[in-house]
Amino acid sequence: SYELTQPLSVSVALGQTARITCGGNKIGSKNVHWYQQKPGQAPVVVIYRDNKRPSGISERFSGSNSGNTATLTISRAQAGDEADYYCQVWDTSTEVFGTGTKVTVL
Amino acid sequence: QVQLQETGPGLVKPSETLSLTCTVSGDSIINDYWSWIRQPPGQGLEWIGDIYNIGSTNYNPSLKSRVTISVDTSNNQFSLKLRSVTAADTAVYYCARRGEGEHDAFDIWGQGTMVTVSS
Repeated sequence: SYELTQPLSVSVALGQTARITCGGNKIGSKNVHWYQQKPGQAPVVVIYRDNKRPSGISERFSGSNSGNTATLTISRAQAGDEADYYCQVWDTSTEVFGTGTKVTVL
Repeated sequence: QVQLQETGPGLVKPSETLSLTCTVSGDSIINDYWSWIRQPPGQGLEWIGDIYNIGSTNYNPSLKSRVTISVDTSNNQFSLKLRSVTAADTAVYYCARRGEGEHDAFDIWGQGTMVTVSS
């Protein structure tokens, strides 16, 4: 079965840039979606189809996808960006979510 | 504004059937893809399945033998049934809408409902 691997945690200084990776075999050939989930809340999509930003999502969130790695980038990190982040792709016959990354803003 | 709300029992006994309903407001259940996703406590997300075109379904192969998703157009709702539950099915269950069709991102989520499997 297809697997998506994310770092367990990423720390970023306030105002700096955080990059969260999502590794999977030939993930560059798939559409990747990214979700932000804060404690006790439902996930919110922040990037869809690799690099598209839904309305209402800050332009500080961006995405890229190539080869075996997709990346979610958070620019000018704010305290409100602290959350768990999950990547997601469709493979063969099922949706697959990444393992999740906890982002801490220092 | 599209909103989704999950309802159903918070406690289910082992070997019984978990039943949840998602009520949709602000959009027609006839349109779009509607999904169930779950999250065990402290763990990641797991897709359960989709329903679309009123009655067509896609299920996670790992759950397919135990899952049924159906739609009630008269009440603008869709439902989940998960049979023969065990403690491993304890999770927060979310209903969600896909933004622009098959395999697209889930753009609207319900608040989630916690279901515990225990005797």
